[in-house]
Amino acid sequence: DAGVIQSPRHEVTEMGQEVTLRCKPISGHDYLFWYRQTMMRGLELLIYFNNNVPIDDSGMPEDRFSAKMPNASFSTLKIQPSEPRDSAVYFCASVDRGSGNTIYFGEGSWLTVV
Amino acid sequence: GQSLEQPSEVTAVEGAIVQINCTYQTSGFYGLSWYQQHDGGAPTFLSYNALDGLEETGRFSSFLSRSDSYGYLLLQELQMKDSASYFCAVEDAGKSTFGDGTTLTVKP
Repeated sequence: DAGVIQSPRHEVTEMGQEVTLRCKPISGHDYLFWYRQTMMRGLELLIYFNNNVPIDDSGMPEDRFSAKMPNASFSTLKIQPSEPRDSAVYFCASVDRGSGNTIYFGEGSWLTVV
Repeated sequence: GQSLEQPSEVTAVEGAIVQINCTYQTSGFYGLSWYQQHDGGAPTFLSYNALDGLEETGRFSSFLSRSDSYGYLLLQELQMKDSASYFCAVEDAGKSTFGDGTTLTVKP
């Protein structure tokens, strides 16, 4: 398997624009996580899905953030409108809880909002 | 909710042994994981403890005491390539919450 695939790898956008981050989890994995990483706040869990259903979105910082998982092989994290404080690395990760607890991370989407 | 505490920085020399501690307070607990992250990279899995005791994987070992809500990662025979950030993470009914990470610097 190719691992967790995220796109775009890097994005620079202007404040107020909509940003959509995409993730393809590892096939067969039943959990998908979106994390945000910054120097100040560390690795924060934003939302996670189990079998495509959102289970806990308490980490989503504001209504400007939304996430969907329309099927087992695709998820999006959307920020609308974006703000400079949203600049961070956004990681998508997946795990097959039935096989163990190893979480596999994508390479991250590096977002800069100017 | 969950809260995890680990030291922010640790420095050691090549060939030495270093221990990175993690204490946690959680509403639920299934196990404790450890991840390594190099600058600019993604976190990668190192180990997982669900039961009390020591788990050994090569130069790395991880320990858990559920009664003390405490665990540690032990790195032996340190190499320069071990310079990275190390995160403990609490696993709870599907949810994984990470600590703030410990930056390990290995010096020659």
